Amino acid sequence: EAAVTQSPRNKVAVTGGKVTLSCNQTNNHNNMYWYRQDTGHGLRLIHYSYGAGSTEKGDIPDGYKASRPSQENFSLILELATPSQTSVYFCASGDPGTSAETLYFGSGTRLTVL
Amino acid sequence: TQTVSQSDAHVTVFEGDSVELRCNYSYGGSIYLSWYIQHHGHGLQFLLKYYSGNPVVQGVNGFEAEFSKSDSSFHLRKASVHWSDSAVYFCAVRESSGSWQLIFGSGTQLTVMP
Repeated sequence: EAAVTQSPRNKVAVTGGKVTLSCNQTNNHNNMYWYRQDTGHGLRLIHYSYGAGSTEKGDIPDGYKASRPSQENFSLILELATPSQTSVYFCASGDPGTSAETLYFGSGTRLTVL
Repeated sequence: TQTVSQSDAHVTVFEGDSVELRCNYSYGGSIYLSWYIQHHGHGLQFLLKYYSGNPVVQGVNGFEAEFSKSDSSFHLRKASVHWSDSAVYFCAVRESSGSWQLIFGSGTQLTVMP
């Protein structure tokens, strides 16, 4: 079965600190995505990737960087964390080869920035 | 710009009742439509999708959805709900060409009372 694993599950960071959220998928999917979920906003796309070495900006990329060093791994980096980045972050993978891509999500990372 | 609207933030029913969760979209071209479910504390899981053909699509656990081009809708239904169906349900849309990006609605919290 498709598997997307996120780490850590929970993270507390201080304002101005650097935070790295990690995502690993064993689906061999080309596409990977980072979303954040906030009450009243649903899921909003931060960054995505078409494959190793590629990163693209989503709808709300400001304050975030992404890195896709391999097919399996996709990281989200907050260089200077701010309290407004307190949220739940979800990683997902998908196969663009199908006619209507299905996304497989990780269990999420709850980030609190103090 | 595509938009996805889920007009009901909360729906409460009793076990054994039927339920319909509404989803309306605004986009003039060909699109893919899908529904995802999110149980508390977990990531989203795919339920079903539509692109073409029979406007009624079947998903897992007795869920189905019906596409209506005239109403710009893709409502999710279940004939008899179980307490375990309590979750947040997200409708999502993607253009059939261009951006790979899935646009999610804000979600509907379904609560099934025993």
